[in-house]
Amino acid sequence: GAGVSQSPSNKVTEKGKDVELRCDPISGHTALYWYRQSLGQGLEFLIYFQGNSAPDKSGLPSDRFSAERTGGSVSTLTIQRTQQEDSAVYLCASSSTETQYFGPGTRLLVL
Amino acid sequence: SQQGEEDPQALSIQEGENATMNCSYKTSINNLQWYRQNSGRGLVHLILIRSNEREKHSGRLRVTLDTSKKSSSLLITASRAADTASYFCATDGDYKLSFGAGTTVTVRA
Repeated sequence: GAGVSQSPSNKVTEKGKDVELRCDPISGHTALYWYRQSLGQGLEFLIYFQGNSAPDKSGLPSDRFSAERTGGSVSTLTIQRTQQEDSAVYLCASSSTETQYFGPGTRLLVL
Repeated sequence: SQQGEEDPQALSIQEGENATMNCSYKTSINNLQWYRQNSGRGLVHLILIRSNEREKHSGRLRVTLDTSKKSSSLLITASRAADTASYFCATDGDYKLSFGAGTTVTVRA
């Protein structure tokens, strides 16, 4: 069956521009997570969606970061006025149990 | 914040040898999971061990959990070149997983 998909695979942008990253979770998974992974580091939790509940945004590093999940399915992570320190791999995961299933990630490079 | 910390940071072994890596964590857990990451991309779930379990097997993988020491180990037996990857332990905190920085394993042919 289809896994978690993310687009784009790679994104190069200029400092100050806005970017949108997309995540398509596994069908039927009510939970969706965004993580950020800097080079050689572990995963940093960003935001969590569960069904129709209010999202847990406690991991978002600044107000330049926001995310939406429409219709309980597709999610978009938006970074406004990108900075060089935003360069990282952004990973999305979905789950229906304790196990999380990850997408391939979007590698973001801010020049 | 990272709860799990893997040790060693990097490991290089010959094909056919066993690879062992450890994970330590700080607070009580319901379960601990191990994930593998190839080439800095998506993580693949390997195994989950619950707090009331001490050992679990899956194919060539063996995971142990010692809640009194707040530690876990992952053993890969008879390693193959395809096992070259980064391995992360993740501990649950409500619904969130906290990942360590990982152990990078290189299997030499």
